[in-house]
Amino acid sequence: KQEVTQIPAALSVPEGENLVLNCSFTDSAIYNLQWFRQDPGKGLTSLLLIQSSQREQTSGRLNASLDKSSGRSTLYIAASQPGDSATYLCAVTPLNFGNEKLTFGTGTRLTIIP
Amino acid sequence: DVKVTQSSRYLVKRTGEKVFLECVQDMDHENMFWYRQDPGLGLRLIYFSYDVKMKEKGDIPEGYSVSREKKERFSLILESASTNQTSMYLCASSFGLRGLGRNEQFFGPGTRLTVL
Repeated sequence: KQEVTQIPAALSVPEGENLVLNCSFTDSAIYNLQWFRQDPGKGLTSLLLIQSSQREQTSGRLNASLDKSSGRSTLYIAASQPGDSATYLCAVTPLNFGNEKLTFGTGTRLTIIP
Repeated sequence: DVKVTQSSRYLVKRTGEKVFLECVQDMDHENMFWYRQDPGLGLRLIYFSYDVKMKEKGDIPEGYSVSREKKERFSLILESASTNQTSMYLCASSFGLRGLGRNEQFFGPGTRLTVL
């Protein structure tokens, strides 16, 4: 059974710093991996989707990497801003065709200190 | 932009009431999903649907049912609400175009349900 872990559970960094969020998964048979952000009391906003055949995906100040063989993904945030404060979740789609059930990580609550 | 809307942001119901949560997406997505999110337990899939009138159980379907009569609308039904169904409910949708890499899930704003 796939398990997705995000460590640390919470992270605080000063504004302007670059930072990395981690996501680990136990079963490398994935189709893709998706990163989301969630503001308190709100729904999830899709940030990046990285296919299993890709190594990286970029959007603005965000860069997601994927190393399927080691079961790891990272989300790099450059020049952090207070508006980046949120909970970040990763989720994997299984490889078997027709199965669209995401397995979510436990999330990292990020606080950017002004 | 993909838009997924949910009928209510906040809902308060009494034990034993029948509760309907509605979700509508405007991007002609084939797949729709209902999750609940609880502190310490993360997101858990309740039900999902790959097509109109089709439904499949997720990880925690007990106490819930769903309805998908039209492609854009997916309803979650609590037949007899109980206090342990107090939670944040999130709807999501996606294209059924995995071969084209277009299976990204898009989420609605969530409904915070409190059962008294």
